[in-house]
Amino acid sequence: SQTIHQWPATLVQPVGSPLSLECTVEGTSNPNLYWYRQAAGRGLQLLFYSVGIGQISSEVPQNLSASRPQDRQFILSSKKLLLSDSGFYLCAWGSNTGELFFGEGSRLTVL
Amino acid sequence: RKEVEQDPGPFNVPEGATVAFNCTYSNSASQSFFWYRQDCRKEPKLLMSVYSSGNEDGRFTAQLNRASQYISLLIRDSKLSDSATYLCVVNQYSSASKIIFGSGTRLSIRP
Repeated sequence: SQTIHQWPATLVQPVGSPLSLECTVEGTSNPNLYWYRQAAGRGLQLLFYSVGIGQISSEVPQNLSASRPQDRQFILSSKKLLLSDSGFYLCAWGSNTGELFFGEGSRLTVL
Repeated sequence: RKEVEQDPGPFNVPEGATVAFNCTYSNSASQSFFWYRQDCRKEPKLLMSVYSSGNEDGRFTAQLNRASQYISLLIRDSKLSDSATYLCVVNQYSSASKIIFGSGTRLSIRP
């Protein structure tokens, strides 16, 4: 069966520091992969999605970037974090019926 | 205009009540639709898909109106455990599986 792992689960970072969140999927090949961000009390904002290795679509202009170096690996990065980057980051993979399966999320606090 | 819009609520209803949520989407080319449930500080999980003919799963009924571009979720005989945020989700296959979430509707069931 398919599983999705995301880490770290929680992190506290100072403003201006770099960020790297990693997501891996097991049990499926060539999945569509997604990064969402959820600010406190808000909905999910689509940040990036990828339909294949090296193929990244960006939805929102920001200081974040995403990469997909391997079929089942999706990485979210920033060179310099802002206070507004705080939030709950969720990685997901999409089945061919359009259903999304989420990782457990990474809660980022930027101080 | 947001791509997917929901009434944020909160809806506060007594146990046993019937409650309905609506969601509208802007892209008429959208292909598939879902309702997700999110508990506090957890990742979203699929509640049910929404089919053109409407579909029912126990106490939950989902409807799709393509002409008016809205979907609905009806919960009958609500339980305390139904308290959560309900997210409307639209998959724009025409945009390489771009999956957009509504901001969610908060539901609180009181004894």
